[in-house]
Amino acid sequence: DQQVKQNSPSLSVQEGRISILNCDYTNSMFDYFLWYKKYPAEGPTFLISISSIKDKNEDGRFTVFLNKSAKHLSLHIVPSQPGDSAVYFCAASARNYGQNFVFGPGTRLSVLP
Amino acid sequence: ETGVTQSPTHLIKTRGQQVTLRCSSQSGHNTVSWYQQALGQGPQFIFQYYREEENGRGNFPPRFSGLQFPNYSSELNVNALELDDSALYLCASSSGGALTYNEQFFGPGTRLTVL
Repeated sequence: DQQVKQNSPSLSVQEGRISILNCDYTNSMFDYFLWYKKYPAEGPTFLISISSIKDKNEDGRFTVFLNKSAKHLSLHIVPSQPGDSAVYFCAASARNYGQNFVFGPGTRLSVLP
Repeated sequence: ETGVTQSPTHLIKTRGQQVTLRCSSQSGHNTVSWYQQALGQGPQFIFQYYREEENGRGNFPPRFSGLQFPNYSSELNVNALELDDSALYLCASSSGGALTYNEQFFGPGTRLTVL
């Protein structure tokens, strides 16, 4: 049973437009969420995180929104750049999980020039 | 500052064999987590080591075991390899241990193929 879901395996966006990547979770104990980006032949790289006490966190072109009642979070990238093309993983954890993060299956983003 | 390194990069084994994967954590980090990433899936938590002790374990059988050394580097051992063990094995280091949400820094992974 997948606790963290990313229902879109892939997404294509034109350069300069907004990319929206979605993530849903089932475990109501999760209270910390992260997004990681992964290029081929490299390990995942931390992008942005959000605690359950917030509903939005922004870092430059990247914004994460959290809707706790819907158990849904999204990552917005504005404006999208070709270098953003990668696989994006949503991950979640709960206080009693320590640093054990549960990852979603990933969404492959392609930003077209 | 040296990042997280893993060795070897690629490995091919046959069913029933044993394998050891190695990870050097980033300088200043005392916590190492291991993940298995099967093709088309996200990383799955195997276990975590904090100050040389296992500090949490995912849903993996006992034939997956590990060690952390005084310099905080770590090994992942898998006995009696099965075909389904074929995956990318990722190591991530961080500071703080349990009950903290410090950023995890991942290595490039070891690609294990079991024939």
